[in-house]
Amino acid sequence: NAGVTQTPKFRVLKTGQSMTLLCAQDMNHEYMYWYRQDPGMGLRLIHYSVGEGTTAKGEVPDGYNVSRLKKQNFLLGLESAAPSQTSVYFCASSVGYGYTFGSGTRLTVV
Amino acid sequence: AQRVTQPEKLLSVFKGAPVELKCNYSYSGSPELFWYVQYSRQRLQLLLRHISRESIKGFTADLNKGETSFHLKKPFAQEEDSAMYYCALSDSGYSTLTFGKGTMLLVSP
Repeated sequence: NAGVTQTPKFRVLKTGQSMTLLCAQDMNHEYMYWYRQDPGMGLRLIHYSVGEGTTAKGEVPDGYNVSRLKKQNFLLGLESAAPSQTSVYFCASSVGYGYTFGSGTRLTVV
Repeated sequence: AQRVTQPEKLLSVFKGAPVELKCNYSYSGSPELFWYVQYSRQRLQLLLRHISRESIKGFTADLNKGETSFHLKKPFAQEEDSAMYYCALSDSGYSTLTFGKGTMLLVSP
């Protein structure tokens, strides 16, 4: 039972490059989320989805786009990476209060 | 807007000492409060939720609506308790979680 799987685990990007982070869950959860974790800032919600085909903005959505074409997958895209997007990105899924987190993606933008 | 405040970035105690990690919140409705823990190089995991009123790994937390607090307590800290602890708040629909900035707990031998 994999739970929530994030790929890749690490990535280094140059400023201006684009990339997509993939989150996959095998628990049939309706809700999925993308958070970023920065030192001294805690976890901040980027975007979330309450079901297949739906997305909504969180606290810090600028510079990111998301898609939920399939219930089990939630993609986070960076259109033109900036050094300010250097962070650890966590995906989570939930049913009710029970959030299950992925292991994170450490992204560095140089 | 909902907000979660954890006033301490770092809390350092000796093994066997009592621990209290503070959490205050701001929310206009009836919140659901949680404590999440992240051990070194591991993913976040749920430690406690206020509605269950249970004790996990010796930790307890009581919701005080009058003081809008949800402090995490343990009477005798263990070295394996060293981790980052996040207080989080959700609305009654559990649609999203708002996290505090976290408190790093270091338990020394």
